[in-house]
Amino acid sequence: GAGVSQSPRYKVTKRGQDVALRCDPISGHVSLYWYRQALGQGPEFLTYFNYEAQQDKSGLPNDRFSAERPEGSISTLTIQRTEQRDSAMYRCASSRLSSGGSTDTQYFGPGTRLTVL
Amino acid sequence: AQSVAQPEDQVNVAEGNPLTVKCTYSVSGNPYLFWYVQYPNRGLQFLLKYITGDNLVKGSYGFEAEFNKSQTSFHLKKPSALVSDSALYFCAVRDPTGTASKLTFGTGTRLQVTL
Repeated sequence: GAGVSQSPRYKVTKRGQDVALRCDPISGHVSLYWYRQALGQGPEFLTYFNYEAQQDKSGLPNDRFSAERPEGSISTLTIQRTEQRDSAMYRCASSRLSSGGSTDTQYFGPGTRLTVL
Repeated sequence: AQSVAQPEDQVNVAEGNPLTVKCTYSVSGNPYLFWYVQYPNRGLQFLLKYITGDNLVKGSYGFEAEFNKSQTSFHLKKPSALVSDSALYFCAVRDPTGTASKLTFGTGTRLQVTL
């Protein structure tokens, strides 16, 4: 009965380093979403997957950000050459069915707090 | 484009009193609407959602929300607040007419319940 898990929970890195954030969705959930939440703001959409296919990456802010879900389960969000403005809470969510306007609920993980020094 | 507004940064209420957290939305078609709650150092927890049907939706922990199409609102309510309800509440909307499945969130309302 595990929920969505994310690792690491906290990540401190130096500007210019690459980071990889991991998301393990609820078992059997088809869709997986990444959001970014700045302090004092609501989560903002980054990208989502149905199974292993990346369906929408319109929210990725620039080409330093990428995501993959190679086997349709665990996903990794990678940020290359990190900048201080990348500091935020990165949240992952999963839903049971494939998306595209469905009524499914998205269930969120605890998030990874990224701090770029 | 879809959007959500939560006009109050903070709502203060005494324990035992009714509470309302306001949310208005803008979307091109009929909306799917959600409320989530965020406790310190924890993830967003789903409270309730409106898809279709009865305008009054009941959810977890005694919360309910009323969908009002003419006012484009989806206010969160609870008849009797508890100190343990103190948290950050987010309203979110999803546009079912497009192909995007993303949720668009408001900026959040901090609920403070005092004895």
